[in-house]
Amino acid sequence: DVKVTQSSRYLVKRTGEKVFLECVQDMDHENMFWYRQDPGLGLRLIYFSYDVKMKEKGDIPEGYSVSREKKERFSLILESASTNQTSMYLCASSQGGSTNEKLFFGSGTQLSVL
Amino acid sequence: KQEVTQIPAALSVPEGENLVLNCSFTDSAIYNLQWFRQDPGKGLTSLLLIQSSQREQTSGRLNASLDKSSGRSTLYIAASQPGDSATYLCANQAGTALIFGKGTTLSVSS
Repeated sequence: DVKVTQSSRYLVKRTGEKVFLECVQDMDHENMFWYRQDPGLGLRLIYFSYDVKMKEKGDIPEGYSVSREKKERFSLILESASTNQTSMYLCASSQGGSTNEKLFFGSGTQLSVL
Repeated sequence: KQEVTQIPAALSVPEGENLVLNCSFTDSAIYNLQWFRQDPGKGLTSLLLIQSSQREQTSGRLNASLDKSSGRSTLYIAASQPGDSATYLCANQAGTALIFGKGTTLSVSS
């Protein structure tokens, strides 16, 4: 089975801190995604990557950046955390090369910014 | 911009009942339609994927159908069980990324 691992289950950070959320997948998937999930707003796409060193903005990229130096790892960076970035962050991956693909999710990181 | 709508937002049923969850989308250019399950505080688990050329997919007690002409998909759950209690989300693939509905939270009582 595909495994998508997010490094932290819960994180508490202070306003203004630089925050790194790490995600690793073990199935050689081409595509990786970062979503955030908020009550009443559902899942919203922040960034995605379809290859090493490639990235594309999603619907809400402001205040975030990403890094994909290796195929298996996709990092989400909050340059200067703010309270409105308190959320559940979900990483996902898919195989790539086709438009008909299953998406596999990690367990999520609940981030609180105080 | 494409939107995905799920109705109802919440549903409570007694154990054993058959039920239908609805998903509608504004973009007729569907690449695939996926249904996911999410337990509280957890990530999403893919249940069924319907490719754009297909009309339905089945897995155990779950059956998902896709009607591209009307922009709708339904998830049918037969003989519901308390373990089916979760939030169910549908997502339409637009290019590389998926666009999600807000989900239907299902509660099955014993």
